[in-house]
Amino acid sequence: DGGITQSPKYLFRKEGQNVTLSCEQNLNHDAMYWYRQDPGQGLRLIYYSQIVNDFQKGDIAEGYSVSREKKESFPLTVTSAQKNPTAFYLCASSIGGTANYGYTFGSGTRLTVV
Amino acid sequence: DAKTTQPPSMDCAEGRAANLPCNHSTISGNEYVYWYRQIHSQGPQYIIHGLKNNETNEMASLIITEDRKSSTLILPHATLRDTAVYYCIVPPSGGGADGLTFGKGTHLIIQP
Repeated sequence: DGGITQSPKYLFRKEGQNVTLSCEQNLNHDAMYWYRQDPGQGLRLIYYSQIVNDFQKGDIAEGYSVSREKKESFPLTVTSAQKNPTAFYLCASSIGGTANYGYTFGSGTRLTVV
Repeated sequence: DAKTTQPPSMDCAEGRAANLPCNHSTISGNEYVYWYRQIHSQGPQYIIHGLKNNETNEMASLIITEDRKSSTLILPHATLRDTAVYYCIVPPSGGGADGLTFGKGTHLIIQP
């Protein structure tokens, strides 16, 4: 079955450490996205990529970094510069371009920084 | 994205139709209406989308008013598993390639 895989499901890190969240898709989608969700809130866009080797900042990119070296993969690094990293992180993909038939989301990674 | 307005929460009895409203009065002529839902601690799931005609699939029906300023998502026979947050989204005419905006949505609670 095609889909998006996020790993791990739960992640614990000490304050001041960088951590990388994995996102892999086998849907042959061009566009990929990272969102952050805090309790009781909607989703906020961190970064997105419409094509390999290119990505754009979303609404809350500070303290995060991404790479898009392969079409299938879009890892997100939460750096020590992110002041409040504890959150639920969601990765999504879509066909991209103007013919957008909807996003497919992964099951999320819940990051807790202690 | 065009601004959408949804009630923060709704209740519905199991087995009844759940009708979730959404206002999008600033929608432009070529912008679609999308609906997603998010079950607790999972990623959002695409439900349905439409432009001006009513749409139906195996999950739900979407009714869009003639002036396109509002729409209603209908779950015909709600079950307990339909308890979730439902998001109504109108991406810009680029199709949302630069990211969709997910607000707080409507928390639908199906009562047994």
